[in-house]
Amino acid sequence: DAGITQSPRHKVTETGTPVTLRCHQTENHRYMYWYRQDPGHGLRLIHYSYGVKDTDKGEVSDGYSVSRSKTEDFLLTLESATSSQTSVYFCAISEAGTSRNQPQHFGDGTRLSIL
Amino acid sequence: SQQGEEDPQALSIQEGENATMNCSYKTSINNLQWYRQNSGRGLVHLILIRSNEREKHSGRLRVTLDTSKKSSSLLITASRAADTASYFCATDSSASKIIFGSGTRLSIRP
Repeated sequence: DAGITQSPRHKVTETGTPVTLRCHQTENHRYMYWYRQDPGHGLRLIHYSYGVKDTDKGEVSDGYSVSRSKTEDFLLTLESATSSQTSVYFCAISEAGTSRNQPQHFGDGTRLSIL
Repeated sequence: SQQGEEDPQALSIQEGENATMNCSYKTSINNLQWYRQNSGRGLVHLILIRSNEREKHSGRLRVTLDTSKKSSSLLITASRAADTASYFCATDSSASKIIFGSGTRLSIRP
C-alpha cells in the first residue's frame, strides 16, 4: 500500500466552524489531490497540487482552500463548514501527471459530518 | 461534470461467473483507468490502458478500449467473493487531472 495517511478519519462538527483535513505521504510523489465522494456523484476533484506551494482548483472548489508547504503534506480547509460539505474526503497521490500515464494512489478517507 | 459513465450501475452474479462492466466517455483521451473500491476504503488502481492500446490484461482482469466508440469494458473472469466492490473508470481531463464515473457496484453471490 502506498504510504498515505489521512487525519482525522472521522469528524463531526457544527455549521460555521473551520475544519482542516490533513493528508500525509511518505512516497515523495509530486502530485497530491483532494476529492469528495457523495452518493450518485462518484469522486469529484476539489483541489490538487503539482508541487510545493503549487495548487490549482478542481470542479468543486468553492468553499475549500488548500495549502502545501512541504512535499509530504497537503491540507484541505473548510473555512466555514456547511451541511452541504458533509461527505467522505479522499486524498490521492501520483508520481507524475496523467499525461505521463501515472496512476493515483488513495488514502482510506475522512468521513466528515457537519450538523 | 462526469466524463466517464459506467454501466450497469449495479451487477450481481454467482461466484465463478464472469463480470463485465462498461464505461463510456465523451471527449478524446490519452488514457483510461479502472479502479476498485471496497466498502469503507479508498480506491485501488487496477489497470491503465493508453489510447493507442486496444486490450490489456492483468491476472483475471481484461480491459478493452474502443476509441472510435469512446467506450471501455472491464472483464473479471472466474469471479470470487473478494471481488465484491465498486468499480470506477477514470479518464484524463487534462495533463494533471482525471475524472471519475459514478461506478458499478458488483456483488458476488456465494
